[in-house]
Amino acid sequence: EIVMTQSPATLSVSPGERATLSCRASQSVSSNLAWYQQKPGQAPRLLIYGASTRATGIPARFSGSGSGTEFTLTISSLQSEDFAVYYCQQYNNWLPFTFGPGTKVDIK
Amino acid sequence: QLQLQESGPGLVKPSETLSLTCTVSGGSISSSSYYWGWIRQPPGKGLEWIGSIYYSGSTYYNPSLKSRVTISVDTSKNQFSLKLSSVTAADTAVYYCSNILTGYTDVWGKGTTVTVSS
Repeated sequence: EIVMTQSPATLSVSPGERATLSCRASQSVSSNLAWYQQKPGQAPRLLIYGASTRATGIPARFSGSGSGTEFTLTISSLQSEDFAVYYCQQYNNWLPFTFGPGTKVDIK
Repeated sequence: QLQLQESGPGLVKPSETLSLTCTVSGGSISSSSYYWGWIRQPPGKGLEWIGSIYYSGSTYYNPSLKSRVTISVDTSKNQFSLKLSSVTAADTAVYYCSNILTGYTDVWGKGTTVTVSS
C-alpha cells in the first residue's frame, strides 16, 4: 500500500496570504495525484488531478505541482471560503487508492 | 449533470451487514468513462477508499476490507450497491459514493451517516 503523508497538519493563514500545503508518497505515484477540499458537513470537492490540472470551475488561485513522491498545493491568496481541510490522494496504485490524513487550513 | 445519492439504513447492529445503494442520475452507470466507488470517513477522521466497480461488474476492493466487502451494480436501475458484513463500531462513518475517472473522483454523493450500535 502506498502511504500518503501531509504537512503541516494545521496551517494558520490570514486572508489574502499564500498557503503552501505538502503531500508526500511512500513510493513514486508519477503524476497520479489529486487534491480535494472538504468543508464541515460536506463531501470533498475535487480541486486538482494529474498533480497540476485544475478541475472544472476551480479558481486559478489554486495550483498544484510535483511528481514522483513530492507534491504541493498552493493557494495564492486565501479567500474566506478556502478555509477547509485539504486531502491528497494517489491513484497510481488502484489497490488501494490512498488518501493523506489531511491539512486543515484555518484563520490566523 | 451527473448526480449521486446514497441511501440505506442509518443504524446497523454489530455483527450484521451494512447495505447501501447509490443512485446515479444525469448520466448512465453503463458509461465507459467511469468506474463507481465507495469511500468512507469515520467521525473526525480522514477518507478511506472501500472499493470500486465497473458497469461490467469488474471490482477492486481495499485489501484491508476485502474479506467483508461486496460491491455490485444494477444497470437496469442505474444503481450500484455496497455490502459490508460483520460490522463493528469501527465501521461507523459517513459513507460516500462517487464516480471514478482514471482514479480520481469528480462527483460525490452528499454522504450518508451509518452508525453501528446495538
